[in-house]
Amino acid sequence: GENVEQHPSTLSVQEGDSAVIKCTYSDSASNYFPWYKQELGKRPQLIIDIRSNVGEKKDQRIAVTLNKTAKHFSLHITETQPEDSAVYFCAAPQGNNQGGKLIFGQGTELSVKP
Amino acid sequence: EPEVTQTPSHQVTQMGQEVILRCVPISNHLYFYWYRQILGQKVEFLVSFYNNEISEKSEIFDDQFSVERPDGSNFTLKIRSTKLEDSAMYFCASRRTSGADTQYFGPGTRLTVL
Repeated sequence: GENVEQHPSTLSVQEGDSAVIKCTYSDSASNYFPWYKQELGKRPQLIIDIRSNVGEKKDQRIAVTLNKTAKHFSLHITETQPEDSAVYFCAAPQGNNQGGKLIFGQGTELSVKP
Repeated sequence: EPEVTQTPSHQVTQMGQEVILRCVPISNHLYFYWYRQILGQKVEFLVSFYNNEISEKSEIFDDQFSVERPDGSNFTLKIRSTKLEDSAMYFCASRRTSGADTQYFGPGTRLTVL
């Protein structure tokens, strides 16, 4: 089955700096890679996702890159702001995502200091 | 924008009691999920449901757990005899189609077993 590893577990940056969170996955059939942001006590909110037919996707200050050969994908946040502080989870499906079971990484607690 | 809703937001129960957690998925979605998150840990898959039957379940989803879609809108998770270790946040999620499609999460039900 799919296994997702996420690093680092905690990340502290100064406001305005960039933050990078990395994930690796094991199932080569996985074709969809979402990133969720979870604020304390709240639901995971999708912030960006990438399908396996592209290598990079950008949405304003957030970007995700995917390397299918190496089986890793990364979240990049530029010009970080205090409201970016949250726990970020990567996820990958089991197989080709027909069933939809998502396997989550362990989470990265991002702290943006003003 | 339509959202997944869940009730109650917090449920406190005694060990051995039955609980039912309720979810209303997004109306045109066809795939439904339950996940759980123990405090401070990652989100874990419990079960997926499609076409009125379970598609897949994890090893956590033992005989004490069941799911049901009693009508066209609700999706429920029942725990027959709760254990202390069932204390967690339970998230319902739904997805419109199969394949590389987004899962949207509800706000969660915090279950506390005393």
